[in-house]
This record gives sequence, structure tokens and C-alpha cells, in this order.
Amino acid sequence: NAGVTQTPKFRILKIGQSMTLQCAQDMNHNYMYWYRQDPGMGLKLIYYSVGAGITDKGEVPNGYNVSRSTTEDFPLRLELAAPSQTSVYFCASSYLVTPGARISNEKLFFGSGTQLSVL
Amino acid sequence: RKEVEQDPGPFNVPEGATVAFNCTYSNSASQSFFWYRQDCRKEPKLLMSVYSSGNEDGRFTAQLNRASQYISLLIRDSKLSDSATYLCVVTRSASKIIFGSGTRLSIRP
Repeated sequence: NAGVTQTPKFRILKIGQSMTLQCAQDMNHNYMYWYRQDPGMGLKLIYYSVGAGITDKGEVPNGYNVSRSTTEDFPLRLELAAPSQTSVYFCASSYLVTPGARISNEKLFFGSGTQLSVL
Repeated sequence: RKEVEQDPGPFNVPEGATVAFNCTYSNSASQSFFWYRQDCRKEPKLLMSVYSSGNEDGRFTAQLNRASQYISLLIRDSKLSDSATYLCVVTRSASKIIFGSGTRLSIRP
């Protein structure tokens, strides 16, 4: 059981380049999330998904896009990389028995993170 | 004002000491509360959930005070391996999972 797998672990981009951060989970979790963490700061939600085909914006979605074509995969796309997107990115998943209602299982399982630098 | 606030520390305590830190939250509609642990350059991992009645897991005790809107974490008999950043997490819904900035704890021999 691999849990949440995130790739790549490190990446350096030039301004204006694009890339996709991959995230896959094998726990059949319905909820998936993308967070970014800047140095000395808490995690900020970029996008989340409550199931295949459904995505929604989080706190800091500008400059990013996501898709959720399957339950397992939740890639994050940066179209025009900017220095402000230099950060550590974490993908996470969780299983909620009653989506949209009161949370019943909030434990987040995180991937190991992607250190992204935009120069 | 941040929705979830933590003392950033660092807390530097000797091995074997007891250390406690708090986290305050501003939204009274918050439903669930957690402490996560994050080691340097690693992903956060759930340490424990926090219940209104308080809960204990070995050397760790978590408390929730809804009236004053804070949660606390107490670590007894601290070990070198407890050195990490402790993140307070407050949730209101599946998309409203708010992380504090973390409290850094360093245990010295």
C-alpha cells in the first residue's frame, strides 16, 4: 500500500515555463487536496476535489489548474510559472463517509512533497 | 487576524521536560481539531485528534476549550525525537481545513 505518491520531489523552472505535479493515491479516498507551504508558514489550500470529475478552488488558486478524471489521480498544473510560486507543494487525500455534511473522517494523508523553485 | 494562530517558538527544552503550547482559533463554527507533526522538509503527519473531553496518547495530552476557542498540546517526558514543528489544524468542512503556521520544538540532550 503506497498511500499518496507525489512526483517529482524537486523541480526548478524558469519564469513562464509550465509543468504538472503528479499525485496519486491507492486508498480509494474520495477527497484530494493540493496545498502549498511557504517557509515558516502554514499550509494553504490551492484546490480540492470531492470525487472524480469534481474540483473546486481553495484559498490560493490563481496560477494553478487541476483535474480529477479518476479517483486515484489529482494532478496540479502550473501554466506560466512565476517566482511567487516557489514553494513546497503537498498533495493529500482523505476519506469522508458523508461528503458535504459533517466531517466524519478528517485524517489527511500527505504525499512527501515537491520542492519547486521558479527562477 | 489569522483564523488559526500559534506561537511560532522555538521552544527549546531539555530532554525529560514537560512542554505545552496552545493554539487559538477565531471561528466559533469550527467543528474538528487536530495536532499534526511535521519534521524538517517532510510532510505533516497526524499526531492526534482533539476532543472536548480531552484525550491522551502516551506522553501526549490534547485539550479543547470551546468557550475560549483554543486547543492545547502537552508533551511529558520529552524525547529528542519529539523535536519537530507542531501544526494546529481546525476544520469547518471538507474544504475548510485551516492549518496554523506551526510551533517549533527543539529538545536538547
